[in-house]
Amino acid sequence: DAGVIQSPRHEVTEMGQEVTLRCKPISGHNSLFWYRQTMMRGLELLIYFNNNVPIDDSGMPEDRFSAKMPNASFSTLKIQPSEPRDSAVYFCASDQSSGAYNEQFFGPGTRLTVL
Amino acid sequence: GEDVEQSLFLSVREGDSSVINCTYTDSSSTYLYWYKQEPGAGLQLLTYIFSNMDMKQDQRLTVLLNKKDKHLSLRIADTQTGDSAIYFCAESYNTDKLIFGTGTRLQVFP
Repeated sequence: DAGVIQSPRHEVTEMGQEVTLRCKPISGHNSLFWYRQTMMRGLELLIYFNNNVPIDDSGMPEDRFSAKMPNASFSTLKIQPSEPRDSAVYFCASDQSSGAYNEQFFGPGTRLTVL
Repeated sequence: GEDVEQSLFLSVREGDSSVINCTYTDSSSTYLYWYKQEPGAGLQLLTYIFSNMDMKQDQRLTVLLNKKDKHLSLRIADTQTGDSAIYFCAESYNTDKLIFGTGTRLQVFP
């Protein structure tokens, strides 16, 4: 398996623009997580899905952020409108949700810069 | 509430042992984990320990768990320059959700 795939790897946009980040989890994994990493706030869980259903979105900063998982092999994180403080590395991760220990597999991340 | 804390930086000489410490607040955690993040990459699971264990050893890695003090540590023996990375501890309790610590940046110098 190719691992968790994220696109784009880098995104530079201007304030006010819409940004869409994409993630393809590992085949067979039924949980998917979106994280944001910054120097100031460290690693933050934004939202996670189990069997395509959002389970916990308490980390989503505000209404400008939305996430969808239309099927088991694809998820998007959208920011509309984007602001400079959204600049961060966004990671997608997936795991098999076996009920035992949780090994989350992380993608390479999308580095977002909002000017 | 859930909270996981780590010191931010650790600097060691190549060949020495590194000890990275972590404290957590949720005494009902079932598993505790150490993840490693290399520059420009996502996190990768290094090792984990079940909450009814005190110690786990895996090659150069030794994990110690003190449930009474809610303290977790990761010892890396014979630290190499390739061990330079950010190390995150994390806890979980019967859910998929992991609570990550702030991360400790380990720098290994020759």
